[in-house]
Amino acid sequence: KAGVTQTPRYLIKTRGQQVTLSCSPISGHRSVSWYQQTPGQGLQFLFEYFSETQRNKGNFPGRFSGRQFSNSRSEMNVSTLELGDSALYLCASSLGTLTGLEAFFGQGTRLTVV
Amino acid sequence: AQTVTQSQPEMSVQEAETVTLSCTYDTSESDYYLFWYKQPPSRQMILVIRQEAYKQQNATENRFSVNFQKAAKSFSLKISDSQLGDAAMYFCAYRSSVTGNTPLVFGKGTRLSVIA
Repeated sequence: KAGVTQTPRYLIKTRGQQVTLSCSPISGHRSVSWYQQTPGQGLQFLFEYFSETQRNKGNFPGRFSGRQFSNSRSEMNVSTLELGDSALYLCASSLGTLTGLEAFFGQGTRLTVV
Repeated sequence: AQTVTQSQPEMSVQEAETVTLSCTYDTSESDYYLFWYKQPPSRQMILVIRQEAYKQQNATENRFSVNFQKAAKSFSLKISDSQLGDAAMYFCAYRSSVTGNTPLVFGKGTRLSVIA
C-alpha cells in the first residue's frame, strides 16, 4: 500500500509570489490535514479536508487556502508569500472517522521564501 | 483548548539502554487518543504508538511502550534496548475522539540522541 505522497519535496520562492503544494493520501483515506512545522512554533494545524469539504481550519490568515479533489488528493495554496511562511509543510491522511483517527504523514514539502 | 507539553527538549541514551520520554497534556474531555510520533532527519513523521484513553492497559509495540496515567494526564514513552536508528525528534500528540474532525495537537518535541 503506497504511503502519503507530497510534491514537491523542496521549493524556493520569492516574497510576494504564490505557491501550490500537493498531497496524495493513502488509498481509501478520505481525510487530508495540513500542518506547518517551524522551529519556533512547532507543528501547527492549517486545515482538514474530508470528502472535498473543509471540515476544520486552524488559525492562519486567508492567504493560506486548500482544496480536495474527488480522488481525495489535496492541494494547499499560499498567496503573497512572506518570509515567515518558510517552513516544512506536512500533509497527513486518515480515514477521518471516529474509529480511524490515526494520521499518517508524508515526507513534507520544505518551502523557503527569499 | 487542549495543550500538550514535553518538558525535555533533549535527551540522550546509550545504545542498548532504556530511555523514557515525558509528555503531559491538558484536556477536559474523557474520550481521546494519544500518540507518539518519531521524526528522523528524513523529516517524515512516523507513528510509533497509540493509546485510546478508555483503555486501561498501556500500549506496547515491540521495544516501545507507554505509561498512560489518565488521572495525572501523563503519557510517557519508554524505549527499551535503544538502537542507533531510534535517534530522532519524538512528538507527543493528542486527538479528541468526540468527533472525527479534530486536529492533532502536538507537543514541542524531544530530540533523542543515541550514543554508540
